[in-house]
Amino acid sequence: AQKVTQAQTEISVVEKEDVTLDCVYETRDTTYYLFWYKQPPSGELVFLIRRNSFDEQNEISGRYSWNFQKSTSSFNFTITASQVVDSAVYFCALSEPGGLGGKLIFGQGTELSVKP
Amino acid sequence: DAGITQSPRYKITETGRQVTLMCHQTWSHSYMFWYRQDLGHGLRLIYYSAAADITDKGEVPDGYVVSRSKTENFPLTLESATRSQTSVYFCATLQETGMANEKLFFGSGTQLSVL
Repeated sequence: AQKVTQAQTEISVVEKEDVTLDCVYETRDTTYYLFWYKQPPSGELVFLIRRNSFDEQNEISGRYSWNFQKSTSSFNFTITASQVVDSAVYFCALSEPGGLGGKLIFGQGTELSVKP
Repeated sequence: DAGITQSPRYKITETGRQVTLMCHQTWSHSYMFWYRQDLGHGLRLIYYSAAADITDKGEVPDGYVVSRSKTENFPLTLESATRSQTSVYFCATLQETGMANEKLFFGSGTQLSVL
């Protein structure tokens, strides 16, 4: 069965600290897609990144970076020098069998609080 | 240039009543989706649609009905609302720019309370 686990329910850090959000997934597919979405206090869901299973390169986008490791079925997300605006709930998600990018299995979410 | 519009933003109803949540897109994306968000569960897929008049069940379809007579609209109906359907409902569309670049875009959500 497909499953996404975000073991950290809540994380609290002080501004400028680095923080890593963990994501572990389970799938029998050989081709799949992983995603991270951000949900700020306003409630909307914002797409952050999509990673294809055949591309294990890590990605960096400004203060954000993602570490994809197929060997451990993990897709962790690191925010460097966190800011108050990073406070949000972050969801990791996995595409369902067949790879349709809209049929996603979400983790439970990690609520990140960045304090000034 | 709203992209995806959900209405209403907030809704309070009573057990047993029929409720329809609206979703409208301006992009003409083929695929549309309904998700519900509950604490401890993240988001779960209720129904999705590949095109007008083509719909299919997701993970948690019981108690919901959808239709898609026009590409731009994808309403979700709770035929007889129950308290367990109190949730935040998100509509989404899929931007298809090749298999490797599909992205899901979400509406602002409808917060539904069933009393």
